[in-house]
Amino acid sequence: KAGVTQTPRYLIKTRGQQVTLSCSPISGHRSVSWYQQTPGQGLQFLFEYFSETQRNKGNFPGRFSGRQFSNSRSEMNVSTLELGDSALYLCASSGEGPGGYTFGSGTRLTVV
Amino acid sequence: AQSVTQLGSHVSVSEGALVLLRCNYSSSVPPYLFWYVQYPNQGLQLLLKYTSAATLVKGINGFEAEFKKSETSFHLTKPSAHMSDAAEYFCAVSEYGGATNKLIFGTGTLLAVQP
Repeated sequence: KAGVTQTPRYLIKTRGQQVTLSCSPISGHRSVSWYQQTPGQGLQFLFEYFSETQRNKGNFPGRFSGRQFSNSRSEMNVSTLELGDSALYLCASSGEGPGGYTFGSGTRLTVV
Repeated sequence: AQSVTQLGSHVSVSEGALVLLRCNYSSSVPPYLFWYVQYPNQGLQLLLKYTSAATLVKGINGFEAEFKKSETSFHLTKPSAHMSDAAEYFCAVSEYGGATNKLIFGTGTLLAVQP
């Protein structure tokens, strides 16, 4: 059974640019969540999508957005990148019920 | 609001010694609790989870955790540490209620295993 796939693994972008990260969940999982991990703030919830609808959103500025497609694949977009957006971005997919969170290997974004 | 506190950002043990990583939670509803492990440059791997069944939960790699409601704790233990256990460990509580599926993480505990 394939796990959660995140692409790309590494990205280097310049301040002011925008970036799109991709996440393919485990087959059959309809919930996809995104988290940002930084040394200073730890693991913070960005947003969750379920059946193409955003179900919950964390405390991040509007520059962070996401979407989910009919096949449950999800993308997150960060516009007007800032140095502080440098982080490991993790995607997790979940099936029905609590506790089925499986994480991908993450995308390491570096903003220079 | 739910929250998680991990006591000790760094824990060092000798190979073969007991591993004890502490986690306390705050929740106004019966919680769902998790322990994850993260190796360098990797994502999070689920070690074990408590979802209101047995209070003693066994996970992968010989880890287990006990849910103690009276102490609002969910400490992670392993009887004998192995060098391969060196990693960062995160305790998390889930806000799950049908309308959301969100994890709130503690700040993590970096486990070092000395030979």
